[in-house]
Amino acid sequence: GEDVEQSLFLSVREGDSSVINCTYTDSSSTYLYWYKQEPGAGLQLLTYIFSNMDMKQDQRLTVLLNKKDKHLSLRIADTQTGDSAIYFCAEKDSGYSTLTFGKGTMLLVSP
Amino acid sequence: GAVVSQHPSRVICKSGTSVKIECRSLDFQATTMFWYRQFPKQSLMLMATSNEGSKATYEQGVEKDKFLINHASLTLSTLTVTSAHPEDSSFYICSARDKGRQGASEQYFGPGTRLTVT
Repeated sequence: GEDVEQSLFLSVREGDSSVINCTYTDSSSTYLYWYKQEPGAGLQLLTYIFSNMDMKQDQRLTVLLNKKDKHLSLRIADTQTGDSAIYFCAEKDSGYSTLTFGKGTMLLVSP
Repeated sequence: GAVVSQHPSRVICKSGTSVKIECRSLDFQATTMFWYRQFPKQSLMLMATSNEGSKATYEQGVEKDKFLINHASLTLSTLTVTSAHPEDSSFYICSARDKGRQGASEQYFGPGTRLTVT
């Protein structure tokens, strides 16, 4: 089946940029997503990218997609303490409406 | 817009009892709702896909007689954990697919329900 992998932990200082990486195995992925989960809460969709795009920028967020290497990254510019959360990468393949999630990357932003 | 609510947000029950969790789409119609389970510091695991007016589709390894799903209307799906045991303690999250929208972001997540079985 499909598999999505992420590094488990990232620590940065406030004001620095954060880069969270994700790899996936399904070559038929149509959309790839980044979700944010704060403690005890559900998932908030941050951004997504269609599989025929290389890059998408949305304010402080930049998503890069290397479809050949099946590698997705999320860059957060000027990281703030409020960005501390778990970030999930997810993919949706062409045939189904279900999502496959990575295990999540815990981002810790220190002052 | 596109808000999904869950009720209750937290529930504690005794072993052997049943617990019902509701998932509602507040401002859109959802033909499909999804139920996920999340263990501490782990990813979301899809339990089942709930389709309005028909039987739910369960993922491999999920007991359909233990996790009863009812999707009786376009805005409500319920998950009932029957004869709950401590190992059923988890964070349950639903998501709903907007009937009226296609494309990437048509699935919206609820805030989750923390179930603790004592």
